[in-house]
Amino acid sequence: EAQVTQNPRYLITVTGKKLTVTCSQNMNHEYMSWYRQDPGLGLRQIYYSMNVEVTDKGDVPEGYKVSRKEKRNFPLILESPSPNQTSLYFCASKLSPTDTQYFGPGTRLTVL
Amino acid sequence: AQKVTQAQTEISVVEKEDVTLDCVYETRDTTYYLFWYKQPPSGELVFLIRRNSFDEQNEISGRYSWNFQKSTSSFNFTITASQVVDSAVYFCALSEGTLTGGGNKLTFGTGTQLKVEL
Repeated sequence: EAQVTQNPRYLITVTGKKLTVTCSQNMNHEYMSWYRQDPGLGLRQIYYSMNVEVTDKGDVPEGYKVSRKEKRNFPLILESPSPNQTSLYFCASKLSPTDTQYFGPGTRLTVL
Repeated sequence: AQKVTQAQTEISVVEKEDVTLDCVYETRDTTYYLFWYKQPPSGELVFLIRRNSFDEQNEISGRYSWNFQKSTSSFNFTITASQVVDSAVYFCALSEGTLTGGGNKLTFGTGTQLKVEL
């Protein structure tokens, strides 16, 4: 089944404790992105990647890192999480720049 | 810069009523793509439809229909004979056609919470 997977689905952590949210897709998509969803703000892009080893900042990149060592994986790294990073995070992928984007199931992160 | 506005924050209807969710967009690009996604209470984002800027033909899929009007920069979504299972947050989104910053990112509206009651 074609899908985007994320892990973990739920995470409660404390300020400053490094964490990684994994994202993987099995559709051989070139493009991958991370979004965060906050009430009243919709979804906003954090980082994106157009191919292996090619990543760039989105609209709200502060406090996040990403890497794209393999085509299928695009992990999101929070080196020192803070409470304002409490949010619902979505990974997404698409085949080409103008293709439809498909989303993972979401990761609900709470930073205490 | 691209922008999507969903002015309706929350709509409540009684089952079997028709309901229209509004979406207004802004873009300077002549080629662009519009989307609707559904987010049920379980939280995932479900793709519903994609429309290209060069195709203004309206679309119907079962109880769902979409009205795309370039003249008013709107892409409205109508659910006919609503059902309780339609209760969800619905997002309208825009992606520009030329290769722009963000890898042709999706710009989302703030969403409309639809509640369908018995």
